Amino acid sequence: SQQGEEDPQALSIQEGENATMNCSYKTSINNLQWYRQNSGRGLVHLILIRSNEREKHSGRLRVTLDTSKKSSSLLITASRAADTASYFCATDARSNYGQNFVFGPGTRLSVLP
Amino acid sequence: GAGVSQTPSNKVTEKGKYVELRCDPISGHTALYWYRQSLGQGPEFLIYFQGTGAADDSGLPNDRFFAVRPEGSVSTLKIQRTERGDSAVYLCASSLVDGGWASYNEQFFGPGTRLTVL
Repeated sequence: SQQGEEDPQALSIQEGENATMNCSYKTSINNLQWYRQNSGRGLVHLILIRSNEREKHSGRLRVTLDTSKKSSSLLITASRAADTASYFCATDARSNYGQNFVFGPGTRLSVLP
Repeated sequence: GAGVSQTPSNKVTEKGKYVELRCDPISGHTALYWYRQSLGQGPEFLIYFQGTGAADDSGLPNDRFFAVRPEGSVSTLKIQRTERGDSAVYLCASSLVDGGWASYNEQFFGPGTRLTVL
């Protein structure tokens, strides 16, 4: 079963609007990370939020984490056409190693000019 | 500095053949991960190395898949008796390790190797 699942699967917005993507997971985590992937390219790390943090900002990105609901959200403000990409959350399932990352299926974001 | 590199970028092989995929991580990154990604899906974890040893190989789908990292830097993913279902993009990532925990650091991904099994 998937640890992380993003919602919605696809999102289409106009340039300048905000985009919100959600991620739900099943087991306890040490941290949660968000990545972006442009079509046909590798993944790029956006932001990492630890289990004891509730909110984190980086430029136009805002990530929240609610461990009681096992969910996270990624907000992109003032979106640009260049933000068009797939966005994935990744969680590290707590174990003796804590190094096994599980990615969700992703949200495909389209920002229309 | 150089990022994570993977070779080849594309590999086409026939069912039943053996393939090797190579990953050169960022210098100094002790942690190395292999994933595979099918079209429209997120990366699927295969194996994690810390140094030379495989700390977690729970994602390898079966015994046809094997990975090594003999000197703690370059890693090779080996697939025996390839099947059409093995077709995917194989991604490698590396990261630093803090206090024994790689998961507290961002992973740097390579561009991937697209494997096609005919």
